[in-house]
Amino acid sequence: NAGVTQTPKFQVLKTGQSMTLQCAQDMNHNSMYWYRQDPGMGLRLIYYSASEGTTDKGEVPNGYNVSRLNKREFSLRLESAAPSQTSVYFCASSEALLGDRKYFGAGTRLSVL
Amino acid sequence: GQQVMQIPQYQHVQEGEDFTTYCNSSTTLSNIQWYKQRPGGHPVFLIQLVKSGEVKKQKRLTFQFGEAKKNSSLHITATQTTDVGTYFCAGLGAGGTSYGKLTFGQGTILTVHP
Repeated sequence: NAGVTQTPKFQVLKTGQSMTLQCAQDMNHNSMYWYRQDPGMGLRLIYYSASEGTTDKGEVPNGYNVSRLNKREFSLRLESAAPSQTSVYFCASSEALLGDRKYFGAGTRLSVL
Repeated sequence: GQQVMQIPQYQHVQEGEDFTTYCNSSTTLSNIQWYKQRPGGHPVFLIQLVKSGEVKKQKRLTFQFGEAKKNSSLHITATQTTDVGTYFCAGLGAGGTSYGKLTFGQGTILTVHP
């Protein structure tokens, strides 16, 4: 039982490059999330998907797009990376949207030069 | 919008000392969750508090939810080196524009000197 799996674990990009962060969960959860973590800022929600087929913006969606490919997978795309997007990205899932405990992946450490 | 503030930002203790982190919300919460993140790791769920005035214990950890459901605390008795990490609270908004929004505090970084 892997839980929430994120790939890649590390990535270095040049400004303007694009990339997709992958996330998959094997717990049959309905809701999935993408967070970014910056020093002193806690975890900020980028996008979330309440259920398969739906996605919504979180606190800091600018510069990102998401796709809920199926119930298991939720990807985050940076179309044109900027240095301000240097961060640690966490994918998470929960059974339901409101108030449920979240299970986090191991994170992707992204540097944009 | 909803804001969740945690204090202190950093805490350094000697092994065996107690530790407390406080979480304060600008709005009333439906529930509050606590997570622990080890250095280099990912957040791991510790507990959820739902009722006003609720107190829950997990071994040396004591969690409280305020009577007004706007604040919470985590107290660790007799810290150990295994307690090192960042402790986050996350509050779920109860009403108005905050309804259903889970907002994380900035976290308290705990270091323990052996």
